[in-house]
Amino acid sequence: GAGVSQTPSNKVTEKGKYVELRCDPISGHTALYWYRQSLGQGPEFLIYFQGTGAADDSGLPNDRFFAVRPEGSVSTLKIQRTERGDSAVYLCASSSQGANVLTFGAGSRLTVL
Amino acid sequence: GNSVTQMEGPVTLSEEAFLTINCTYTATGYPSLFWYVQYPGEGLQLLLKATKADDKGSNKGFEATYRKETTSFHLEKGSVQVSDSAVYFCALIGTDSSYKLIFGSGTRLLVRP
Repeated sequence: GAGVSQTPSNKVTEKGKYVELRCDPISGHTALYWYRQSLGQGPEFLIYFQGTGAADDSGLPNDRFFAVRPEGSVSTLKIQRTERGDSAVYLCASSSQGANVLTFGAGSRLTVL
Repeated sequence: GNSVTQMEGPVTLSEEAFLTINCTYTATGYPSLFWYVQYPGEGLQLLLKATKADDKGSNKGFEATYRKETTSFHLEKGSVQVSDSAVYFCALIGTDSSYKLIFGSGTRLLVRP
């Protein structure tokens, strides 16, 4: 596609529920990134994929968070047993191999009640 | 570890005023430095970048110079427009990673007609 697409744009859920956030990167971009942006803060790195594999998941806050990219294109960020502290905007970005310029999506705003 | 500090906002200016948003960083070696901009309702966009000392990045009338001696990358524009109203993020990629962006907390700019 022309840009990085993220769905849903807004998600409201209850504490303890399971949530999936989807990212469709720019066609041909081999690198994909997830970041989390809390209110009034800059984005924080969560995970980086090169192709299908997670090359760096050091930013995932705990084992409730998991991300997959099974075919090297679309990625899903999965959050189990959501907590109110998970409320944030989750940003996805992609880049071509070896490039350090990322193209970001508009984000998925998650609110946990 | 690597970090970025930028001036707190909001910064409120009249149209055609001169803009400076301060950014300083902590990192070993020579990181790559970036300014990203987030317009209301849109994803983060790369505004400009610089990859080595004394480089000047520029785009859309904005400029920033990589100053190794002061570990700074201040953003400037000679004459702001209402359409420049947005949140501006300073960021770096350290020498220990080719992909992990470290962001500052962002500075909101409001330009009044």
